[in-house]
Amino acid sequence: DIVMTQTPLSSPVTLGQPASISCRSSQSLVHGDGNIYLSWLQQRPGQPPRLLIYKISKRLSGVPDRFSGSGAGTDFTLKISRVEAEDVGVYYCMQVTQFPYTFGQGTQLEIK
Amino acid sequence: QVQLQESGPGLVKPSQTLSLICTVSSGSISSGNYYWSWFRQPAGKGLEWIGRSHISGSTNYNPSLKSRVTMSVDTSKNHFSLKLSSVTAADTAVYYCARRGLSSGDWYFGLWGRGTLVTVSS
Repeated sequence: DIVMTQTPLSSPVTLGQPASISCRSSQSLVHGDGNIYLSWLQQRPGQPPRLLIYKISKRLSGVPDRFSGSGAGTDFTLKISRVEAEDVGVYYCMQVTQFPYTFGQGTQLEIK
Repeated sequence: QVQLQESGPGLVKPSQTLSLICTVSSGSISSGNYYWSWFRQPAGKGLEWIGRSHISGSTNYNPSLKSRVTMSVDTSKNHFSLKLSSVTAADTAVYYCARRGLSSGDWYFGLWGRGTLVTVSS
């Protein structure tokens, strides 16, 4: 299985300040078709996961543009340019390149 | 707007089979354009992919659960299902259904159900 490792596991952030979460995969996420199927999901308390970013950097329709994704190979990053109160929750990276699909441990974003 | 809704018993006895259904509303499961997946999340823990099914009958399961999992799609009822046999307390979790597109441009889980809590206990 591909192991996804996120850092940090907890991120206290001041409102209006940026936040960054890293995700590293234990092996390349390049699919045979040449794409990298790395997604970022947000899970607010008591809610199901919500997709933010797919294929490293593509924002799902309706996701605020303060969320951005980047990376290549085995290292990926989710950035929030200016954290808002509604961004509190757990963020997961997920690889959809190889079976079984796997997730990072999750990063708890909280407001200082 | 397409929605997914999980349903099934909230309490299952140890050694029995957990059975859940995910109903697709405001959209047809028969299009063949999606894979239909199940995930689970124990309380306070992370997410685990259980497996996926397609209307063609094709399935893929997480090897960690493969020996106990069966998934299928019922186009006549516009729903897909999960069966997990020989359950133990370790299978207690919130179970989510989700949809992934078939084409490479849609290879993401953009639609999720709200989840249903299943507790394994006698």
